[in-house]
Amino acid sequence: DTAVSQTPKYLVTQMGNDKSIKCEQNLGHDTMYWYKQDSKKFLKIMFSYNNKELIINETVPNRFSPKSPDKAHLNLHINSLELGDSAVYFCASSQSFRTGVDYGYTFGSGTRLTVV
Amino acid sequence: KQEVTQIPAALSVPEGENLVLNCSFTDSAIYNLQWFRQDPGKGLTSLLLIQSSQREQTSGRLNASLDKSSGRSTLYIAASQPGDSATYLCAVKTGNQFYFGTGTSLTVIP
Repeated sequence: DTAVSQTPKYLVTQMGNDKSIKCEQNLGHDTMYWYKQDSKKFLKIMFSYNNKELIINETVPNRFSPKSPDKAHLNLHINSLELGDSAVYFCASSQSFRTGVDYGYTFGSGTRLTVV
Repeated sequence: KQEVTQIPAALSVPEGENLVLNCSFTDSAIYNLQWFRQDPGKGLTSLLLIQSSQREQTSGRLNASLDKSSGRSTLYIAASQPGDSATYLCAVKTGNQFYFGTGTSLTVIP
């Protein structure tokens, strides 16, 4: 019973291609995130959606476009892939601040993207 | 902007030792702080979550403390085991998002 699932787990593609990574959570959380982990293992937020509404959009190239068809799904589409896009991309979800309690993050297992 | 620092960056200890990992943050206006474990090539597993109103949380051999006013948290691991070898990350929630530290890479030697 995977709580936050990402597909694919590995993605190897050529420069210039367009690719998508899918994320689904079955926890009933209302907020989902995309994080990028670089070669130095630093995690940086890219996007956050709350109930299908974009609430965080950090400075990332506009080649990256998130899409949230419903609150259980947050997909990441990347156009014109570049070598520097190679990284591990993590999806996460959380339940938004409610009654003074925040329940923290649940992460997916990551998608290792390699651009050649 | 919130900045999160973890010290040390790497730690190697013999099996059975007790150890402390440190996390510091610059903005004390946090909602909560979460400790994660990441195994090589794997995702992040949540270990402990401390709400801003709490001082500590315990789970098995793990104990996490939070001192909001000084901007510090510690993760105490008792009686370390080789299976504890991993990278440990702390994250603090400020505003709408979590800010991550750079992690401490722990190796427990049998």
